[in-house]
Amino acid sequence: GDSVTQMEGPVTLSEEAFLTINCTYTATGYPSLFWYVQYPGEGLQLLLKATKADDKGSNKGFEATYRKETTSFHLEKGSVQVSDSAVYFCALSVQGAQKLVFGQGTRLTINP
Amino acid sequence: ETGVTQTPRHLVMGMTNKKSLKCEQHLGHNAMYWYKQSAKKPLELMFVYNFKEQTENNSVPSRFSPECPNSSHLFLHLHTLQPEDSALYLCASSPQDGTGETQYFGPGTRLLVL
Repeated sequence: GDSVTQMEGPVTLSEEAFLTINCTYTATGYPSLFWYVQYPGEGLQLLLKATKADDKGSNKGFEATYRKETTSFHLEKGSVQVSDSAVYFCALSVQGAQKLVFGQGTRLTINP
Repeated sequence: ETGVTQTPRHLVMGMTNKKSLKCEQHLGHNAMYWYKQSAKKPLELMFVYNFKEQTENNSVPSRFSPECPNSSHLFLHLHTLQPEDSALYLCASSPQDGTGETQYFGPGTRLLVL
């Protein structure tokens, strides 16, 4: 079946550090890939997405590239801020299906 | 109001109570969803509605009863819940009009069953 695997958290970094959160997937079709972010006490917000191989999604300084050859969609940011502290979810949606398959989430804490 | 709204934001109920969660989307979308987010577990899809018709029930116990009176509103009726049903319940919507399947989430209702 379809699945998403994220690196285990929690991840703790200092402000201005480089961030990578790994995400790999297994899918039977050609999925769209998403990163969602959940700030404390809130619901999920779409951070970025990519719908086909080699697409790069980007938003708020975050980037992720759809790598079909390695079935990966790693999230990166060059310089994190305290306000980036949140839980990050990688997810996929197979074409024609409405079901979003989520990873387990990675909690990120940024210290000043 | 914009986006997806949910009420109430917090709810405490006893096991014998009946309550309802409400979701409203202001995005003109045609599909709506209920998810359950429990501590230390991946998000679980509960129900999917397309154009007011239920198209997926992910083996959810009958003590959870969804209702979708129109494409903008979605309810989750709760009765005789168990303490293990305590969780964050998230509503989402998506266009389902050929422009893509991106789902947009509301802020959630945090439910505590005593």
